[in-house]
Amino acid sequence: SYVLTQPPSVSVAPGKTARITCGGNNIGSKSVHWYQQKPGQAPVLVIYYDSDRPSGIPERFSGSNSGNTATLTISRVEAGDEADYYCQVWDSSSDHFYVFGTGTKVTVL
Amino acid sequence: EVQLVESGGGLVQPGGSLRLSCAASGFTFSSYWMSWVRQAPGKGLEWVANIKQDGSEKYYVDSVKGRFTISRDNAKNSLYLQMNSLRAEDTAVYYCAREVIAVAPDSAWFDPWGQGTLVTVSS
Repeated sequence: SYVLTQPPSVSVAPGKTARITCGGNNIGSKSVHWYQQKPGQAPVLVIYYDSDRPSGIPERFSGSNSGNTATLTISRVEAGDEADYYCQVWDSSSDHFYVFGTGTKVTVL
Repeated sequence: EVQLVESGGGLVQPGGSLRLSCAASGFTFSSYWMSWVRQAPGKGLEWVANIKQDGSEKYYVDSVKGRFTISRDNAKNSLYLQMNSLRAEDTAVYYCAREVIAVAPDSAWFDPWGQGTLVTVSS
């Protein structure tokens, strides 16, 4: 089955830029979606179709996808951005259909 | 406001059964594929099962096939997950989620998610 690999953790100072990667075989040929999950809360969609933002998500959140790596970028990081972030693809050829990345804990220093 | 509210979680012994429910509101429930996604304590997200709008197609992750059954009642705007022969490794928060399915390019994602219900399998 398709595997998505994320770094376990990313640390960033307030006001700086955080970049969270999601690696997968030829992931650039798929559409990648990103979720933010704060402690004790349900996941929230922050990016879909590689780089589109749902309504209500700040412009500070952006995404890109090419080759074997997709990236979620959080600009001008705020304390409230501290959370776990998961990438996800839809793989119709897999019995899992929905594949999630391993997750990245973003810590704001 | 689009809302999903799960219920039915709890403590159950290994080999036992539990039925989860998800009440949907704020959207036309019968127009969407729906999924269950789970998260073991301290772990990542795992898709469990999904069901087509009219209930005619259902899919499961291998680890729950033959033990879990997903169903829906469009008249009641409700989604269900019947879980039998539960194992310790089924311990998780179970989320109900609405699928957003797109074409050109083909893809799908979840939006929104319910708040989750905790299932603990332990003796």
